[in-house]
Amino acid sequence: SYVLTQPPSVSVAPGQTARITCMENNIGSTSVHWYQQRLGQAPVLVIHDDSDRPSGIPERFSGSNSGNAATLTISRVEAGDEADYYCQVWDTTTDHHVFGTGTKVTVL
Amino acid sequence: QVQLVQSGGGLVKPGGSLRLSCAASGFTSGFTFSDYDMNWIRQAPGKGLEWISKITLSGGTIYYADSVKGRFTVSRDNAKNSLLLQMNNLRAEDTAVYYCVADFDRDYFDYWGPGTLVSVSS
Repeated sequence: SYVLTQPPSVSVAPGQTARITCMENNIGSTSVHWYQQRLGQAPVLVIHDDSDRPSGIPERFSGSNSGNAATLTISRVEAGDEADYYCQVWDTTTDHHVFGTGTKVTVL
Repeated sequence: QVQLVQSGGGLVKPGGSLRLSCAASGFTSGFTFSDYDMNWIRQAPGKGLEWISKITLSGGTIYYADSVKGRFTVSRDNAKNSLLLQMNNLRAEDTAVYYCVADFDRDYFDYWGPGTLVSVSS
């Protein structure tokens, strides 16, 4: 079964680029989805199926997935991007959804 | 825009029971509640997200995380656009915010309810 490992924290200055990884052996063989959770709020889908953005999500959010790592990239970071971010997959061997460990993004 | 309104939750003693409800509305024309798989996802205080259950469109298939299997039961009433989570034999580690979440028969979560807090403590 999947164990999705993310860095606990990422710090980035405004205007710079934040990259958040989601690591698991051969994760590139499945679709990865990403959620943003601001403090005290419910999560919001920001990327689905590795790199697709839902309507209303800024183009600054992008995703990729290959080999043993999926990556969420936030370009031109803004103060409002400060949040926890989670990756997620559907594990077909267990019929379970699995979330990553989560990454706190801090905007300096 | 699908809206999910949650009710239930609160403080319960270990070993006790609680039922959470979720009412769905706001479906785009041509779509109904029965077009969505429904899930329960929880988040313990200061911790990450944990998926605990999924019920498919018609309710014919239900999946549970090992942490709740045998203690929690999920059901849905498509005629009433509602989802239920019956939680029995609650433990301290079940303390969390519980989210009702809809997915359009896909592998990711489109719509989230606001969450409701369940506290298990003596």
